[in-house]
Amino acid sequence: DVKVTQSSRYLVKRTGEKVFLECVQDMDHENMFWYRQDPGLGLRLIYFSYDVKMKEKGDIPEGYSVSREKKERFSLILESASTNQTSMYLCAIGGGDQPQHFGDGTRLSIL
Amino acid sequence: RKEVEQDPGPFNVPEGATVAFNCTYSNSASQSFFWYRQDCRKEPKLLMSVYSSGNEDGRFTAQLNRASQYISLLIRDSKLSDSATYLCVVNMWDTGRRALTFGSGTRLQVQP
Repeated sequence: DVKVTQSSRYLVKRTGEKVFLECVQDMDHENMFWYRQDPGLGLRLIYFSYDVKMKEKGDIPEGYSVSREKKERFSLILESASTNQTSMYLCAIGGGDQPQHFGDGTRLSIL
Repeated sequence: RKEVEQDPGPFNVPEGATVAFNCTYSNSASQSFFWYRQDCRKEPKLLMSVYSSGNEDGRFTAQLNRASQYISLLIRDSKLSDSATYLCVVNMWDTGRRALTFGSGTRLQVQP
């Protein structure tokens, strides 16, 4: 069974804080993705990585950065959190011509 | 034009009904197609892949029409537990995009 683990289910942070969201997979997959999902807007791709230390911007990268130092771990960083980054964040692996598998998601609230 | 378009619904149907959703996609070179299910406040989960010849998984049937660039999902004998949002998903591999492209989803509410 595919296992994609996100570090927190719920997180509350303050405006201006640096926030780290962690994602770990056990499938040795090259591709890892970060999305955010907001009501009425669907899933939006923030960043993805196709190899260690490799990353590419998705559709909405502004205000975010990522890190992939090891194949199994992909981190999303909010450099200076703002209230408009309150959202559900989803990590996924897979893609290309294969399905993607998601972690449980992190509900992040920025106060 | 959105790359993947779905009717947002909601589709309100009684238990036991048959319901069908359609989804259109813009990239004629797309090769892989999927339906995902997402429950409220949960992550999307793969429901089924969609194959060129159409495929069935229990009460669920998926069809692909390449000429018209749409895929469909048919649910027979609806159960209360089928209530969820159904996401149509397409790959755009020829554009170099490794991430799949997700529709915004169609909400289904099965009523007793």
